[in-house]
Amino acid sequence: EADIYQTPRYLVIGTGKKITLECSQTMGHDKMYWYQQDPGMELHLIHYSYGVNSTEKGDLSSESTVSRIRTEHFPLTLESARPSHTSQYLCASRGGNTEAFFGQGTRLTVV
Amino acid sequence: EDQVTQSPEALRLQEGESSSLNCSYTVSGLRGLFWYRQDPGKGPEFLFTLYSAGEEKEKERLKATLTKKESFLHITAPKPEDSATYLCAVGPNDYKLSFGAGTTVTVRA
Repeated sequence: EADIYQTPRYLVIGTGKKITLECSQTMGHDKMYWYQQDPGMELHLIHYSYGVNSTEKGDLSSESTVSRIRTEHFPLTLESARPSHTSQYLCASRGGNTEAFFGQGTRLTVV
Repeated sequence: EDQVTQSPEALRLQEGESSSLNCSYTVSGLRGLFWYRQDPGKGPEFLFTLYSAGEEKEKERLKATLTKKESFLHITAPKPEDSATYLCAVGPNDYKLSFGAGTTVTVRA
């Protein structure tokens, strides 16, 4: 069973608030990813990291930012949430070029 | 540009009616093809990894195969609990992992 955790699972927040979505893994994986997925739609890569102090933007432009100060932790931050940020955010980790393991996701609603 | 295309978008099956899902890809250098299952509101669950043409993997009623341009996920005698969205992903390099849009499978009892 994959050991990757996302908190919170659900978040409803007002416009303009700053939020941080947490993602932690205990597998020692070097690569970590954030995907955005609207209901019934495909996964879009928004950020990835291939190690400590490395972060890259993904294929889908996002106003969020990420950091990777520790191997096991890859938080995503939105400085000022807007209704257009309402979506599900999925975190994943991967060792080498093997399969990625996903967390259960954070469903964000901005009102 | 790397591309992953899955077909069909949706598949409705009767229990016991076998079928196949397709994942075609265009990448500069394949570093693994991955199949996942995703249930509504949950994160994708890993099923199979394939690395080279001709490779096959099996798990219960599912079997994945790989050629140089595409992969198939065969579902044999499906049950209602096989209803889910099946996602295909490719690793064009050691860093990125790109997903197709998925095939939503509904199996009726």
